[in-house]
Amino acid sequence: DGGITQSPKYLFRKEGQNVTLSCEQNLNHDAMYWYRQDPGQGLRLIYYSQIVNDFQKGDIAEGYSVSREKKESFPLTVTSAQKNPTAFYLCASAPVSSGLYNEQFFGPGTRLTVL
Amino acid sequence: GDSVTQMEGPVTLSEEAFLTINCTYTATGYPSLFWYVQYPGEGLQLLLKATKADDKGSNKGFEATYRKETTSFHLEKGSVQVSDSAVYFCALSPNQAGTALIFGKGTTLSVSS
Repeated sequence: DGGITQSPKYLFRKEGQNVTLSCEQNLNHDAMYWYRQDPGQGLRLIYYSQIVNDFQKGDIAEGYSVSREKKESFPLTVTSAQKNPTAFYLCASAPVSSGLYNEQFFGPGTRLTVL
Repeated sequence: GDSVTQMEGPVTLSEEAFLTINCTYTATGYPSLFWYVQYPGEGLQLLLKATKADDKGSNKGFEATYRKETTSFHLEKGSVQVSDSAVYFCALSPNQAGTALIFGKGTTLSVSS
């Protein structure tokens, strides 16, 4: 079955540690996205990538880093510079076709808690 | 810049009641519009979509019509069920290849039997 997987589902981090959230897709989509979700604030874009080896900052990129070495994978690292990392993190992907809407497909999410 | 505004919740209804969740948008050009649904502890699922003015998206008894004149995309369902309890997000795509969606803040719906 095609889809997007995120791991782990729950992640606990001590203050000062970096952690990496995994996102893999087998939908053959070119574009991938990371969002952060906090209660009452909807989804906020962290980073996105339209093609391998290229990515752009979203609205709240500070304290985060990404890589896009393979089409299927877009891992997100939450660094110690992120002051309030406790949140629900969602990964999404979309086909890139000129002239078409960008329907995004979401993974199940990773809940990160800082202890 | 482009933005989406949806009614604040929570919305609390009894089973079989009529549902409306308002969504309005601001955009340059001709965006595509979406409604996504999120069940507790899960990711978002696409509920319905509309890609041009006057299009009506529909799925699982939910409907929304793309109204360019009022810049709106209100979600409606004639008879809600307990299983419809979830968070609903309105979103737009600026229709530039690969760009991210712009989401509203979400509306929590709670349906009781």
